[in-house]
Amino acid sequence: NAGVTQTPKFRVLKTGQSMTLLCAQDMNHEYMYWYRQDPGMGLRLIHYSVGEGTTAKGEVPDGYNVSRLKKQNFLLGLESAAPSQTSVYFCASRKQGARSYEQYFGPGTRLTVT
Amino acid sequence: GQQVMQIPQYQHVQEGEDFTTYCNSSTTLSNIQWYKQRPGGHPVFLIQLVKSGEVKKQKRLTFQFGEAKKNSSLHITATQTTDVGTYFCAGPSAGGTSYGKLTFGQGTILTVHP
Repeated sequence: NAGVTQTPKFRVLKTGQSMTLLCAQDMNHEYMYWYRQDPGMGLRLIHYSVGEGTTAKGEVPDGYNVSRLKKQNFLLGLESAAPSQTSVYFCASRKQGARSYEQYFGPGTRLTVT
Repeated sequence: GQQVMQIPQYQHVQEGEDFTTYCNSSTTLSNIQWYKQRPGGHPVFLIQLVKSGEVKKQKRLTFQFGEAKKNSSLHITATQTTDVGTYFCAGPSAGGTSYGKLTFGQGTILTVHP
């Protein structure tokens, strides 16, 4: 079991460029989440998905889009990157109906927008 | 909106000293979780507390959930260099309990001097 994987690990973008971050999990989890982590601000939820084909906005969704075409994959897109989107992005997953709220995190993607 | 506040933001200790981080929620929580993130790593689940006044121990770590279920603490006895990292508390986001969404505190960064 690889758990939750993320690609790429690092990326540098110029303002206005676009990119897609890929998250994959092999635990058959229904719920998946995208967070961004900035110094002193903890983890903030960008978007989440409760199942294949469904997505919803989190706390800080502006400037991002997501898609969940397959249960195991959750994609985060930046259509026109801005310096304010420089951050570390984490994907997480959780099994629906589990007694524990435990989320399993991927290793993260460090994104710099210049 | 719901807020989860964590103090202190930073804590520097000498190896062998104790360490405590505190978490306070603006709303009553059905449960609270604690995560640890090593430098350069990703958050890893430590524990979940559910009951009012609950106390759980994991070796040198002691977790408490307040009687009113609005606050929690993590205490580490006799810190070691392996305890270095950021400790986050997280509670179910208001209005999103059924989807496992979490609101994270800002985290406490612990450094341990040998």
